[in-house]
Amino acid sequence: DTAVSQTPKYLVTQMGNDKSIKCEQNLGHDTMYWYKQDSKKFLKIMFSYNNKELIINETVPNRFSPKSPDKAHLNLHINSLELGDSAVYFCASSLEGDTKLWETQYFGPGTRLLVL
Amino acid sequence: KQEVTQIPAALSVPEGENLVLNCSFTDSAIYNLQWFRQDPGKGLTSLLLIQSSQREQTSGRLNASLDKSSGRSTLYIAASQPGDSATYLCAVRIYGQNFVFGPGTRLSVLP
Repeated sequence: DTAVSQTPKYLVTQMGNDKSIKCEQNLGHDTMYWYKQDSKKFLKIMFSYNNKELIINETVPNRFSPKSPDKAHLNLHINSLELGDSAVYFCASSLEGDTKLWETQYFGPGTRLLVL
Repeated sequence: KQEVTQIPAALSVPEGENLVLNCSFTDSAIYNLQWFRQDPGKGLTSLLLIQSSQREQTSGRLNASLDKSSGRSTLYIAASQPGDSATYLCAVRIYGQNFVFGPGTRLSVLP
């Protein structure tokens, strides 16, 4: 069983389109994250959700919006795609809680987005 | 603002060698430090996590140390194997800001 899964694995689309990437975890974790890895392989956090509450937003354009229908899912919606959005997007999850800030993160396989 | 750097950027060694990967961070106020492995076209796999109160962690042939005061961590890989070839990333955790990742060290172990 895959712990953290993402769909689609590859996404090629035209500039200006709206697209979504889905993420699901079956680990019973309470916090999920979205990361962007650019062409230089730098990994930067975009969002994290804990119990349906957004707790981090690292100056990401408002064209990007996370949607969490339940604790096991955190989807990423992107509006009006731009060339610079081309990257690999990783979903991750962890078990946090009020005081535990030290749990490891489990990553999905990534979604490779190419905007033409 | 926390910044994480890793040296070297790339490393190529013959099989069987012991090697050290370095990670440096600018702000010592961290909760933990984690080492990950990323294989080409794949996601990240957690290798070792060191709490801020710990000095080192070991798992099999891997040993990671943490010196918070100097802002440094090392990942020691003993008796390297071709299967160890991957990019190794370190990340520090700061309260309210989650993980900050380094750029990675690309390791090639030659048979």
